[in-house]
Amino acid sequence: DAGVIQSPRHEVTEMGQEVTLRCKPISGHDYLFWYRQTMMRGLELLIYFNNNVPIDDSGMPEDRFSAKMPNASFSTLKIQPSEPRDSAVYFCASSLGLALYEQYFGPGTRLTVT
Amino acid sequence: AQKITQTQPGMFVQEKEAVTLDCTYDTSDQSYGLFWYKQPSSGEMIFLIYQGSYDEQNATEGRYSLNFQKARKSANLVISASQLGDSAMYFCAMRDWSGGSNYKLTFGKGTLLTVNP
Repeated sequence: DAGVIQSPRHEVTEMGQEVTLRCKPISGHDYLFWYRQTMMRGLELLIYFNNNVPIDDSGMPEDRFSAKMPNASFSTLKIQPSEPRDSAVYFCASSLGLALYEQYFGPGTRLTVT
Repeated sequence: AQKITQTQPGMFVQEKEAVTLDCTYDTSDQSYGLFWYKQPSSGEMIFLIYQGSYDEQNATEGRYSLNFQKARKSANLVISASQLGDSAMYFCAMRDWSGGSNYKLTFGKGTLLTVNP
């Protein structure tokens, strides 16, 4: 079975540009999570969805960040406009309902904003 | 206050020996879960082991075991018979319910384990 799929794996962009990160969760999983990992702040939960509905977006740093989940098999995290401090590895993870303890992470997208 | 504290930025262990990675947590919830994840140099996050706050026995998964001491609020990871492939960053995390959301997973800063041959 395919795991969580993220694209792109690496993204280099210039400050001010729009960046869109994509995630395909494991089929059948009803929870989807977006995390950001930096050296300074470690791994932070940005937002999570249950059955395509955003449940908690309190971790989203500011209005420049937005996330959507139009259907059960696809989610996006958008940064507009991007800033150098957004440089990080962004992980998407999914889990199946009651088995919340076992989140499956994607390989991550390494974002560099110059 | 930090919810998850991993006091060991780095640990070294000899191959085939056991190693304990420390984790303490802070929550006022009665129902919570504790996790350990492994992140090798390739970057992916790999789930290792889970302990629920109401679980009577310590969780075990192969060479991994979780030394759960509820009164002390600690959830240390024990890796037995270390292998070179165990060299990685290890993260302790806690799921609890905070504020208005019904779920929150908070990660510690991690411990970098190096297994020496």
